[in-house]
Amino acid sequence: GQQLNQSPQSMFIQEGEDVSMNCTSSSIFNTWLWYKQEPGEGPVLLIALYKAGELTSNGRLTAQFGITRKDSFLNISASIPSDVGIYFCAGQGYSGGSNYKLTFGKGTLLTVNP
Amino acid sequence: DAGITQSPRHKVTETGTPVTLRCHQTENHRYMYWYRQDPGHGLRLIHYSYGVKDTDKGEVSDGYSVSRSKTEDFLLTLESATSSQTSVYFCAIAPPDRDNEQFFGPGTRLTVL
Repeated sequence: GQQLNQSPQSMFIQEGEDVSMNCTSSSIFNTWLWYKQEPGEGPVLLIALYKAGELTSNGRLTAQFGITRKDSFLNISASIPSDVGIYFCAGQGYSGGSNYKLTFGKGTLLTVNP
Repeated sequence: DAGITQSPRHKVTETGTPVTLRCHQTENHRYMYWYRQDPGHGLRLIHYSYGVKDTDKGEVSDGYSVSRSKTEDFLLTLESATSSQTSVYFCAIAPPDRDNEQFFGPGTRLTVL
């Protein structure tokens, strides 16, 4: 099946720093999604990407859909303590009749030191 | 707020007992999903539904069954719970105009002793 490699697994940064994380796959995806999960809660959708090369922002967050369709990255600028959480990438691939099933990365744990 | 509730939010049960988790949505969306989340594995799809009485298996469906008799409810049943099914279970829905995007419920933490 399709697999996503998400890196880094964890990050420890100082408040105010910029953050970058990415996901790669050996398979082509036609949709990339980025989620954030806080302790005890379900994942929350941050950004959805639908076109190769697409660059989309949501406040301090920016995500891009790679040209090869096999990767995506998420950047967070000027981090703040409430950015703490686990960030997941997810992709939906060209598997025809997939009924919109998603494949998830294993997550990046972000810790922000005030 | 995606209008998704899950019940119960926490449950402790014993090996061999049946368990049913409920996902309820208020939006009448067609697509609903059940995932489990475990350390080191991320989110894995158990079963999904694309309409009333229409369900299909995900990647980790063994030991689980589902039912969807009404659009708003998607039930996940563990016929005979095992310790390996200790996990956090999430329900998700996909709205018709953005059906590549999934929105998650708050989760159910299940412990099987």
